[in-house]
Amino acid sequence: EPEVTQTPSHQVTQMGQEVILRCVPISNHLYFYWYRQILGQKVEFLVSFYNNEISEKSEIFDDQFSVERPDGSNFTLKIRSTKLEDSAMYFCASSEEDRVLHGYTFGSGTRLTVV
Amino acid sequence: GNSVTQMEGPVTLSEEAFLTINCTYTATGYPSLFWYVQYPGEGLQLLLKATKADDKGSNKGFEATYRKETTSFHLEKGSVQVSDSAVYFCALIRQAGTALIFGKGTTLSVSS
Repeated sequence: EPEVTQTPSHQVTQMGQEVILRCVPISNHLYFYWYRQILGQKVEFLVSFYNNEISEKSEIFDDQFSVERPDGSNFTLKIRSTKLEDSAMYFCASSEEDRVLHGYTFGSGTRLTVV
Repeated sequence: GNSVTQMEGPVTLSEEAFLTINCTYTATGYPSLFWYVQYPGEGLQLLLKATKADDKGSNKGFEATYRKETTSFHLEKGSVQVSDSAVYFCALIRQAGTALIFGKGTTLSVSS
């Protein structure tokens, strides 16, 4: 069964450093997403991406965040200057055009720890 | 705004017990509703969905019915197994939206 692959599974970074979280969505999917889950809290939507541009973003997704699909297979989330409160599990997801009918496929997540 | 409220966990049951996890939502228009499950160390997996009022989603013995009059989508299973131990998330997509909006998740622990 096709999978969404995320790397690394765990990343530790110092406050103020830039991090890039990587995802390989399912190859025939058209929509790509990032979500995060702070420990013990709800899964929060960050951004959706379609046709090489952001289609929707939440208030969490401020100027510190950016997304990119650099080469037609990878989908990345960059945090420019990490803060302690960015520590969370970050999930990538992808979906076909009809995301309601076919649903979203999530990766296993990257646990980001900012120290 | 759009939001999902789930019952607080953890829920602790014995094997073969009946399960209900309550979920209510607030949304404009006619959202689509989902239950996702997260097993330890894994990502989120779609468990079931319903796209309009009175639809019943079902999968692996789990069921949930889209109730517009009570804005609810409660998850039920008649007889739980140890392997059902996981975190369960209720979620919605608003009409014409792309974002899945999740509840806080409910941890289910089933013992033999």
